[in-house]
Amino acid sequence: AQTVTQSQPEMSVQEAETVTLSCTYDTSENNYYLFWYKQPPSRQMILVIRQEAYKQQNATENRFSVNFQKAAKSFSLKISDSQLGDTAMYFCAFMKHEGWGGSRLTFGEGTQLTVNP
Amino acid sequence: NAGVTQTPKFQVLKTGQSMTLQCAQDMNHEYMSWYRQDPGMGLRLIHYSVGAGITDQGEVPNGYNVSRSTTEDFPLRLLSAAPSQTSVYFCASSPTGQGPEQYFGPGTRLTVT
Repeated sequence: AQTVTQSQPEMSVQEAETVTLSCTYDTSENNYYLFWYKQPPSRQMILVIRQEAYKQQNATENRFSVNFQKAAKSFSLKISDSQLGDTAMYFCAFMKHEGWGGSRLTFGEGTQLTVNP
Repeated sequence: NAGVTQTPKFQVLKTGQSMTLQCAQDMNHEYMSWYRQDPGMGLRLIHYSVGAGITDQGEVPNGYNVSRSTTEDFPLRLLSAAPSQTSVYFCASSPTGQGPEQYFGPGTRLTVT
């Protein structure tokens, strides 16, 4: 079974600054995906970024980037130029690559990020 | 497309009552799943389905039943609600074999008193 751990229950950052959220995972699988989801107060789950384990290059989506360290089983999210709208709960999630195309996600506990003006 | 819809948005039940949380998607996705979200625990998988007529248990299935008679609908049934089932419930769907992204519904907040 896979486990995902987010050791920072809460974080805060000043607007326009950079913040990094941590995530570690444990798995014996070699083919998998990793995700960061954002959950604002509206409760909607929003995909921020994804990383395929077979890709060495770190994924980037505008102000969001990841630092994927496969050997260390670490998957941190960096948010640059933080904006007030980035205030949300952030979840790290793991998905095993399954032959039947299934999509079972294992989530971490979440990190509540607050961006201060 | 409406995407993934869930009804109701909020529900209060008394212990022992039964109810069904509805989930529907109009994207012809084969894979559908139910998660519950509790404070400090992230989302946990309850049940999932890889197609009509096929369901399986996730991490926390006890107290919940599902069925999948059509591709579009995947209802979650609570047969005898307990306070431990107070949670936020999310339904998600994805097209199998076309990438890992899941599409989440807006959630149902359930309180059992």
